[in-house]
Amino acid sequence: QVQLVQSGADVKKPGASVKVSCKASGYTFINHRIGWVRQAPRQGLEWMGWISVYNANTKYVQKFQDRVTMTADTSTSTAYMELRSLRSDDTAVYYCARAKADGLVFDYWGQGTPVTVSS
Amino acid sequence: MVMTQSPATLSVSPGERATLSCRASQSVGSNLAWYQQKPGQAPRLLIYAASTRAAGIPARFSGSGSGTEFTLTISSLQSEDFVVYFCQQYDNWPLTFGGGTKVEIK
Repeated sequence: QVQLVQSGADVKKPGASVKVSCKASGYTFINHRIGWVRQAPRQGLEWMGWISVYNANTKYVQKFQDRVTMTADTSTSTAYMELRSLRSDDTAVYYCARAKADGLVFDYWGQGTPVTVSS
Repeated sequence: MVMTQSPATLSVSPGERATLSCRASQSVGSNLAWYQQKPGQAPRLLIYAASTRAAGIPARFSGSGSGTEFTLTISSLQSEDFVVYFCQQYDNWPLTFGGGTKVEIK
């Protein structure tokens, strides 16, 4: 069965970086995009971007363009999202999600990684 | 692209029908998905292409609409359905979610 298992909760100081991992299993990793979404406390859902695993092409939401990097390691079927220059308003749960084929419908999601940014 | 969901909170009795609305600020064709989110959990895909149920989703969930107006209908609410629902367009970048509708027990 398809599973996305994310890394555990993290606490960072303002200005630091965080790297969240998302290990995929149960399907052919290179055949599906991986997207990243975040959800601030008691807030809605916000897209950050996605990566096409087979060619490493990425597409980022403009507000994160200068601070985010999404990568994928095909040898371990693991996707990563790194966010730099963290601020307090980056405190959120970060989710990875798998796209159906190479489209933009995301059908399987990781369990979420809480990231707290606090001095 | 702004996605607007209404109402923000919907009060319905168990066994009754719930109708949730989602409006796009411009046409998204049929590139619209609905997600369910339970407390402390990741979103779960219910509907895509406006009206196609995702794998394993019960038949009581149905979607309709195209262009700018969309509806999610839950035909007979079960106890586990009293949670939050989000619509999301995938016609334009960036992908955007609506603000969500919380379905609560009346």
